[in-house]
Amino acid sequence: ETGVTQTPRHLVMGMTNKKSLKCEQHLGHNAMYWYKQSAKKPLELMFVYNFKEQTENNSVPSRFSPECPNSSHLFLHLHTLQPEDSALYLCASSQDRGWGEQYFGPGTRLTVT
Amino acid sequence: GQQLNQSPQSMFIQEGEDVSMNCTSSSIFNTWLWYKQEPGEGPVLLIALYKAGELTSNGRLTAQFGITRKDSFLNISASIPSDVGIYFCAGQKALGGNEKLTFGTGTRLTIIP
Repeated sequence: ETGVTQTPRHLVMGMTNKKSLKCEQHLGHNAMYWYKQSAKKPLELMFVYNFKEQTENNSVPSRFSPECPNSSHLFLHLHTLQPEDSALYLCASSQDRGWGEQYFGPGTRLTVT
Repeated sequence: GQQLNQSPQSMFIQEGEDVSMNCTSSSIFNTWLWYKQEPGEGPVLLIALYKAGELTSNGRLTAQFGITRKDSFLNISASIPSDVGIYFCAGQKALGGNEKLTFGTGTRLTIIP
């Protein structure tokens, strides 16, 4: 595997479900990011991790819970989501926090029913 | 919050035509990035620019870092069907620290057969 991978690619979940999104980067980077992409809106930064430490939580509701066990893996745990949370969730990585060039995964298309 | 304005929002062109799009800001950025996103995929980094006035090419793509540092331009020469997608600009005000990328809303490129 190369670059940034995300699983699953598609997820449909009910509002009472608990699910997790997984991201893995094979680039040797130190920083990882979660973004939300909704139609007709710019990419929204959700969380930033640098060397496994969370350095930013962009006022994200607590029903989204990130986890970064090491610099290569990032998870987004989902619990009691709302239909408006349906979106494409993108993971990205960069050499370091604030480096500039970020490399994105293919995303997880989430639908909350 | 800070927003990057991309123009045009959408383009319909014929194969073989050249394409020009731009990204403007009300404040100065010291890094400009251009990404392309195809349906069902994450954004792919095309070109990174770090110096005012810099002109950088990647195959048929050429991007320029505006002299005022408040804008950037992307040109595609002799378009082909696989150029279809949404092109995003992103800017960062400085390198390092807690700086984050600010994204534009995208230019959707469609090629008419």
